[in-house]
Amino acid sequence: AQRVTQPEKLLSVFKGAPVELKCNYSYSGSPELFWYVQYSRQRLQLLLRHISRESIKGFTADLNKGETSFHLKKPFAQEEDSAMYYCALLPGGSYIPTFGRGTSLIVHP
Amino acid sequence: DVKVTQSSRYLVKRTGEKVFLECVQDMDHENMFWYRQDPGLGLRLIYFSYDVKMKEKGDIPEGYSVSREKKERFSLILESASTNQTSMYLCASSFGPASYEQYFGPGTRLTVT
Repeated sequence: AQRVTQPEKLLSVFKGAPVELKCNYSYSGSPELFWYVQYSRQRLQLLLRHISRESIKGFTADLNKGETSFHLKKPFAQEEDSAMYYCALLPGGSYIPTFGRGTSLIVHP
Repeated sequence: DVKVTQSSRYLVKRTGEKVFLECVQDMDHENMFWYRQDPGLGLRLIYFSYDVKMKEKGDIPEGYSVSREKKERFSLILESASTNQTSMYLCASSFGPASYEQYFGPGTRLTVT
């Protein structure tokens, strides 16, 4: 069975600092990886998907199959980035994702 | 714009009560899901449905049941609410078999006293 690990429950940085939210996975096949975000008092929503290889709100994430990681990065954190972030894995051919436990990002002014 | 709505934002129930949480999506999605969201535990899948009247157990189905009589509506039922079911409940939907993105509702904060 697949597994998604987000080792940090809480990540606290200052505005303008780089941020990296870690995500490691275990899955024997070729997964799709995603990051979902939940801002305060808002619903959970998709932030980005590894296949699209795009930058959303300044965030990027690269799938590293060798290290089985999909870390989310942003070079300069903003206060509005404060949110709960979930990494998710979709096994090949499935529509049922497995979510990590989430990392709460707090960006201080 | 996909809209997933949940019947209540906040709900307070007593131990032993039967509780109904309703979810409606307006985009003709085939798949619907119910999750629990607890601090430190992330999202845990309770049940999902890939078609009308079809349902499958997720990771934590004990104490819950579901109903999907119409494509747009997916109900979560707590047959006899217990205090350990106090949680945030999230409904989600996705388009079809090859769909990757889930669209979430705003959540229902259920407190069982």
